[in-house]
Amino acid sequence: DAGITQSPRHKVTETGTPVTLRCHQTENHRYMYWYRQDPGHGLRLIHYSYGVKDTDKGEVSDGYSVSRSKTEDFLLTLESATSSQTSVYFCAISRGSTNEKLFFGSGTQLSVL
Amino acid sequence: TQLLEQSPQFLSIQEGENLTVYCNSSSVFSSLQWYRQEPGEGPVLLVTVVTGGEVKKLKRLTFQFGDARKDSSLHITAAQPGDTGLYLCAGRNSGNTPLVFGKGTRLSVIA
Repeated sequence: DAGITQSPRHKVTETGTPVTLRCHQTENHRYMYWYRQDPGHGLRLIHYSYGVKDTDKGEVSDGYSVSRSKTEDFLLTLESATSSQTSVYFCAISRGSTNEKLFFGSGTQLSVL
Repeated sequence: TQLLEQSPQFLSIQEGENLTVYCNSSSVFSSLQWYRQEPGEGPVLLVTVVTGGEVKKLKRLTFQFGDARKDSSLHITAAQPGDTGLYLCAGRNSGNTPLVFGKGTRLSVIA
């Protein structure tokens, strides 16, 4: 298995509170991604990073911010969580070569009440 | 936004049956990947197809990329309960752009 760790694995929070999810990799891969997975919508890209401090928005970036201060860590922050952000969040990594595959973490189940 | 439409959305079959799932788009992709996801885990790559018309086999699984690189299919021969899972197709329109995923086909193989 690729060395990807997501934390926490499960979180319950209240509407309006800030939440930070962490993705840690030991593979030294250049690219890191945050996806959310919801019934009826599949996997949708939130943000991604192509290097330290280099990030870009994905399809569903509103309400989310990210930071990457080290190669191995990619943080996803919900500044003020809403019920619509209840989802399973997946981190993925890749080397960034052409047609490179993604390695996924095991996911974080987030419930916003 | 490029869309990848997968069909069927759900499929329940008996062990030993054959099945095909489809991934279609109106856009051309430089490559297409198939992933399988089991409950509580992230998706795991099965195959990458790059060339129009390409066929790849992985044991009982056969993957085909359409000639125009707009569609793909996954055929499973003699399905087994271990094939149960969510099958996702994902495409890129150029080498390093982020993957776009379809919504998936949820397969259940009953013993």
